[in-house]
Amino acid sequence: ETGVTQTPRHLVMGMTNKKSLKCEQHLGHNAMYWYKQSAKKPLELMFVYNFKEQTENNSVPSRFSPECPNSSHLFLHLHTLQPEDSALYLCASSQKTGVDGYTFGSGTRLTVV
Amino acid sequence: GEDVEQSLFLSVREGDSSVINCTYTDSSSTYLYWYKQEPGAGLQLLTYIFSNMDMKQDQRLTVLLNKKDKHLSLRIADTQTGDSAIYFCAEREGSQGNLIFGKGTKLSVKP
Repeated sequence: ETGVTQTPRHLVMGMTNKKSLKCEQHLGHNAMYWYKQSAKKPLELMFVYNFKEQTENNSVPSRFSPECPNSSHLFLHLHTLQPEDSALYLCASSQKTGVDGYTFGSGTRLTVV
Repeated sequence: GEDVEQSLFLSVREGDSSVINCTYTDSSSTYLYWYKQEPGAGLQLLTYIFSNMDMKQDQRLTVLLNKKDKHLSLRIADTQTGDSAIYFCAEREGSQGNLIFGKGTKLSVKP
């Protein structure tokens, strides 16, 4: 365990379903991130939250909706996804002014059918 | 914008040294990082180097930084089959402090 926990580890969903990915950290970090990792784009930054405020949204389609209720939790709400959204979704956290880089979770392997 | 480049594949024999190279563009980068990703797992921080250092050694790992050429390398001595993974280089950009990742180098270690 890295200190960043993602659930579920695997998720299969239909294109009309609504599901949520969860990320939790108790490292005292104040920034959290969602990344998408697929064969086409190995590591693609989706969203950045600093102190619960969204500071970056890298042109992500609206079918992905992030939520950060507090500095320890981050969600990614999914609805009406496409098969090309199948990928490994990685959450990370960091201390914004620290030197230790990002701590990653193990990811959620998402398959859209 | 900032960019980090790595070669995509490297294959070595067990016991040999592996050298993974990376170039970056942001001259104001403060820290540079190496991450390892094993199959089905997240990225694990291996080591990092401050931009005013030339070299950092940590057991089998040696990081070399040429700031003039914006070139970073990771040397793994006595490479083992357990070192087979994808290795990501990342720079900490100077403005927002976000990490910019390369595409990763897949290291294959043959027995």
